[in-house]
Amino acid sequence: ELKVEQNPLFLSMQEGKNYTIYCNYSTTSDRLYWYRQDPGKSLESLFVLLSNGAVKQEGRLMASLDTKARLSTLHITAAVHDLSATYFCAVDPDRGSTLGRLYFGRGTQLTVWP
Amino acid sequence: GAGVSQSPSNKVTEKGKDVELRCDPISGHTALYWYRQSLGQGLEFLIYFQGNSAPDKSGLPSDRFSAERTGGSVSTLTIQRTQQEDSAVYLCASSLVLGGYEQYFGPGTRLTVT
Repeated sequence: ELKVEQNPLFLSMQEGKNYTIYCNYSTTSDRLYWYRQDPGKSLESLFVLLSNGAVKQEGRLMASLDTKARLSTLHITAAVHDLSATYFCAVDPDRGSTLGRLYFGRGTQLTVWP
Repeated sequence: GAGVSQSPSNKVTEKGKDVELRCDPISGHTALYWYRQSLGQGLEFLIYFQGNSAPDKSGLPSDRFSAERTGGSVSTLTIQRTQQEDSAVYLCASSLVLGGYEQYFGPGTRLTVT
């Protein structure tokens, strides 16, 4: 069974600080997704990473993918309160009968305080 | 354009009753996925459809769960004889085609079994 591990699971950080969320996975894949979920809401797509070395940035968030290390990172720069949410990484292993299914990490609950 | 829609948004049912959850994917999306999200289990894959076909039903938690899709569009997830452990948020997602494409999530149906 493919495993996707995120850490940390809980992150409390002060506004203006930087931090990185890590997503490790246990199988070969060159497709990884980051989602954001606000309380009581559904998942909002943040980044789609489709190749080794892919880097994407949107505002204060930057995501990268290293398929050889089976690692993706979500870097937060100069955090602001509006970034408070739960962030999920998800891997698409593209194998056999599970084609298209996403395997999710457990999520990182981010709280940004003044 | 319209996103993925789900109904009802909330459903409270008594243990032992049957429930039907509905998903309307984004128009033109051929692939459709069901997940559920609960506190103890994170995001759990249930089933996917390519067109009207669901090739792999092994993700369904028990034989009380079934799903169908008609006309390559609307999907219904049915849970028979609901149990308290079925309480969760049921999320539907769709993508343009199966595999390697971004999945767009609906708002979810929060199911509470009393």
